[in-house]
Amino acid sequence: GAVVSQHPSRVICKSGTSVKIECRSLDFQATTMFWYRQFPKQSLMLMATSNEGSKATYEQGVEKDKFLINHASLTLSTLTVTSAHPEDSSFYICSARDMTGPRETQYFGPGTRLLVL
Amino acid sequence: GQQLNQSPQSMFIQEGEDVSMNCTSSSIFNTWLWYKQDPGEGPVLLIALYKAGELTSNGRLTAQFGITRKDSFLNISASIPSDVGIYFCAGSNTGNQFYFGTGTSLTVIP
Repeated sequence: GAVVSQHPSRVICKSGTSVKIECRSLDFQATTMFWYRQFPKQSLMLMATSNEGSKATYEQGVEKDKFLINHASLTLSTLTVTSAHPEDSSFYICSARDMTGPRETQYFGPGTRLLVL
Repeated sequence: GQQLNQSPQSMFIQEGEDVSMNCTSSSIFNTWLWYKQDPGEGPVLLIALYKAGELTSNGRLTAQFGITRKDSFLNISASIPSDVGIYFCAGSNTGNQFYFGTGTSLTVIP
């Protein structure tokens, strides 16, 4: 199946610093990528939809100035958590929509564990 | 956003037993996907369904796209310890976002 990579896999940072997470589709082009946040033992919570060449669409309650998304190419989207605080600690997962074939599907990255001290 | 109803929430079964879980929606979808997530990992796609009534298998896993287009089912036959994890369903209409189920946590007792 298609592969989506995410980097870094885990990061520990001090409160007030910014953290950038990269999401890459490795063998297909993705005009749309998604960013999710997942708390322990809970389902995936969609944060924003990242569209190549245009502004991201944020879900209600997600601060766009806090979670900056850039989708500069068809294979790369980045999520920057600005001025991170301990409450931002979470598991962040990206996914990429694959519409290259006749049928659409969505592949996930392996996730990034963020711990803000 | 919309969240799909997935049941059961958790299952504890003996190795070798069959497993069934389902997902329901208030909306009609034209795509259903089933994922498995291991702890600390991203979800991995198991089966994709694109047509009402479609029945698709992947090894010991079989999933069905409900005829009403508002539900889907996943069955695992002869469970083994490595089946342990959380299973998520996801529904979508082409070009729109996928909505996810609440997840089914599966524990297989050797």
